[in-house]
Amino acid sequence: KAGVTQTPRYLIKTRGQQVTLSCSPISGHRSVSWYQQTPGQGLQFLFEYFSETQRNKGNFPGRFSGRQFSNSRSEMNVSTLELGDSALYLCASSSTGTGRLADTQYFGPGTRLTVL
Amino acid sequence: GDSVTQMEGPVTLSEEAFLTINCTYTATGYPSLFWYVQYPGEGLQLLLKATKADDKGSNKGFEATYRKETTSFHLEKGSVQVSDSAVYFCALKPDSWGKLQFGAGTQVVVTP
Repeated sequence: KAGVTQTPRYLIKTRGQQVTLSCSPISGHRSVSWYQQTPGQGLQFLFEYFSETQRNKGNFPGRFSGRQFSNSRSEMNVSTLELGDSALYLCASSSTGTGRLADTQYFGPGTRLTVL
Repeated sequence: GDSVTQMEGPVTLSEEAFLTINCTYTATGYPSLFWYVQYPGEGLQLLLKATKADDKGSNKGFEATYRKETTSFHLEKGSVQVSDSAVYFCALKPDSWGKLQFGAGTQVVVTP
């Protein structure tokens, strides 16, 4: 099976702009979660989507939003970019089946966002 | 709230040395516990997992045992290689609804 894919891999934006990041989960996985990774704050949970519904949200401002499509692909959007939004954004997918690795999250390579 | 504490790095070892990375957690209930590894410029790779007390996860020579009495999930490998140089993250998942809680990560550097 193909792994989690994220596009684009690298992005450079300027303050005030907005950005959309895309994530395609592993085939058959219906849950997608997003995380922000920075040297100062480490890995922080943004939100989780399951069957097109957001069912968990982290402590981020409303500038950060996301959605999930019927094919389980997900996008996240950051509006009015700030310098502090520079980070590696990681997407993870998981199944909701049974078995030892059920609900284990598998990560994509991430999108490196740089805000100038 | 839930939290994970890992030993600070960097941890520098010679090839074939024994590696231990300490991880302790605070959580209500019975979380699942994970170790992920991140190589430079890449995302996180699942290394191993344990879902209940005394469960042992193992993969690629790495092992960790879920110790509920000490709320710990220490990672060990008997003989490290240069290719094991990476950042290792301990994480817990309190329930089946996403939201992994990560430790700060421990950088491991293995020298020839």
